[in-house]
Amino acid sequence: DAGITQSPRHKVTETGTPVTLRCHQTENHRYMYWYRQDPGHGLRLIHYSYGVKDTDKGEVSDGYSVSRSKTEDFLLTLESATSSQTSVYFCAIRKLASGGGGEQYFGPGTRLTVT
Amino acid sequence: QQQVKQSPQSLIVQKGGISIINCAYENTAFDYFPWYQQFPGKGPALLIAIRPDVSEKKEGRFTISFNKSAKQFSLHIMDSQPGDSATYFCAAFRDSNYQLIWGAGTKLIIKP
Repeated sequence: DAGITQSPRHKVTETGTPVTLRCHQTENHRYMYWYRQDPGHGLRLIHYSYGVKDTDKGEVSDGYSVSRSKTEDFLLTLESATSSQTSVYFCAIRKLASGGGGEQYFGPGTRLTVT
Repeated sequence: QQQVKQSPQSLIVQKGGISIINCAYENTAFDYFPWYQQFPGKGPALLIAIRPDVSEKKEGRFTISFNKSAKQFSLHIMDSQPGDSATYFCAAFRDSNYQLIWGAGTKLIIKP
């Protein structure tokens, strides 16, 4: 399971409140990712990180920010939660294989409900 | 050019049959093509992957067939079992931008 944990696993919050989701890995991987998964949309990339303090936007980054102050932790923040951000959020790491490649391994997910 | 198109959206197969899921891509710069399996309430799990320098890769009952000229790849599940019922995602990767591009997923149901 690549040693990935996510917290919290479930959260209900009110519209307009800030929310921070945490992804923690134990294997020192350089690349980390945040996705959201919604019915009919599959997995959509929110933000990713390619090193400490190095992050970039994915296809659905509006309303989200991230931080990575140490290798093992990648935080996703919803500055002011909206109902459209109700979703299941997955963190992933990328394991570098010999010869390159993009094997990603996922955490268990966080189910976020914004009321 | 970044899209990966996956079909069908859903699939019902009898136990013991062959399940086939197809994906197509446009960007010839992609150089790694994984398939993921996801059970309800769980994160996607890497199932099998292929590089474009081979036309087929087999792991147990799971086979990826890759057609570089047609820019298509497919997942075949032989002797499909009820335990294979899950959502399957194809993806494509280009090393230079660190990202996987995902298909929309196929919900597979294996009928006993």
